[in-house]
Amino acid sequence: DGGITQSPKYLFRKEGQNVTLSCEQNLNHDAMYWYRQDPGQGLRLIYYSQIVNDFQKGDIAEGYSVSREKKESFPLTVTSAQKNPTAFYLCASWDRGSNQPQHFGDGTRLSIL
Amino acid sequence: GNSVTQMEGPVTLSEEAFLTINCTYTATGYPSLFWYVQYPGEGLQLLLKATKADDKGSNKGFEATYRKETTSFHLEKGSVQVSDSAVYFCALNYGGSQGNLIFGKGTKLSVKP
Repeated sequence: DGGITQSPKYLFRKEGQNVTLSCEQNLNHDAMYWYRQDPGQGLRLIYYSQIVNDFQKGDIAEGYSVSREKKESFPLTVTSAQKNPTAFYLCASWDRGSNQPQHFGDGTRLSIL
Repeated sequence: GNSVTQMEGPVTLSEEAFLTINCTYTATGYPSLFWYVQYPGEGLQLLLKATKADDKGSNKGFEATYRKETTSFHLEKGSVQVSDSAVYFCALNYGGSQGNLIFGKGTKLSVKP
């Protein structure tokens, strides 16, 4: 079955370290997104990419970086500059040619040790 | 700008009770409207959608009608079950080439036996 795989499901980081969250999709979708979810705040857009080798900042990009070297993959790096990284991170993809909305992965929960 | 406002939770109901979760939106033009559901520890799943005024989306006993005159998309279910306990997100996608979703803050539903 086609879908989005986020790994790992749980991730722990020491202060001062960078950490990379994986997002892979086999839906052949062009667009991919990263969201951050905090309790009571809904979803906030971090970065998105409409096409390979191109990406744009979302509403809360500071302290994060992304790459889009392959259509299937959109990894998110949480850098040491992100002062409050503890959150649930969701990756999504979207078929620009369809009438369907974004499809989500199961998320990665990041915690600071 | 575009925005989505949901009723604040949490909402606690007994099994077989009637559910309404209010959602109103602000948008220019004619957005598509969605309800997503998030079960504990998981990503978001599309529950239902409506793409134009007066459309009714329905799935798994849930319904929502796109009301342009009141800019609303309230979620209803006639008889909730314990398994419906989750967080529900209202969202809109205002077309264009980016396909970004604007989410409400989510409403947590707990259904007691």
